[in-house]
Amino acid sequence: AIQMTQSPSSLSASVGDRVTITCRASQDIRKDLGWYQQKPGQAPKLLIYTASTLESGVPSRFSGSGSRTDFTLTIDSLQPEDFATYYCLQDYNYPHTFGQGTQVEI
Amino acid sequence: QMQLVESGGGVVQPGRSLRLSCAASGFTFDDYALHWVRQAPGKGLEWVAIVSYDGANKYYADSVKGRFTISRDNSNNTVSLQMDSLRLDDTALYYCTRTAAYSLHGMDVWGHGTTVTVSS
Repeated sequence: AIQMTQSPSSLSASVGDRVTITCRASQDIRKDLGWYQQKPGQAPKLLIYTASTLESGVPSRFSGSGSRTDFTLTIDSLQPEDFATYYCLQDYNYPHTFGQGTQVEI
Repeated sequence: QMQLVESGGGVVQPGRSLRLSCAASGFTFDDYALHWVRQAPGKGLEWVAIVSYDGANKYYADSVKGRFTISRDNSNNTVSLQMDSLRLDDTALYYCTRTAAYSLHGMDVWGHGTTVTVSS
């Protein structure tokens, strides 16, 4: 199975900061990567798919980039509602695999 | 609106079985592949299984292969997860989610989950 290594595992940031989370795949996954946000007690929410496509309704301060093995989620001007845990997911092949998550804290 | 609602969770002893269900509404069910994703208490997300739009193709995580079976009923807009030989580490919140059949990228609608506790 493809391993997804996400970093950092947690970070502290302030409102207005620019935040970057990275995800590395153990093999080439083209651009078959999604980013998900999860808040405590809630189901995950799709932010970005195919590495850089913003899901409908997601604020434009979220962006994704990368291909093959290295991917980045960037949040420009962090907002209070963005404090959450973020996961990457490779959907290149089966079994799909998630990164271990990045908790974004105040 | 588009909705997925899971049911069937509960407390079960190790080695026993449990069947989860997920009812879909608000969208054309057979335009989508359906997945199960789980989250153990205080842990990250783990992809469990997928069934294709027509039920013909199914794939599983290594951790559940041979023990879990995913299926769907397009006439009733439901997807199920039959879980046999349950283990303590199957304890988790189980989510149902979907991806468009034409792309298979982006799980855009999620249920609220159903809790499975495996305990002696």
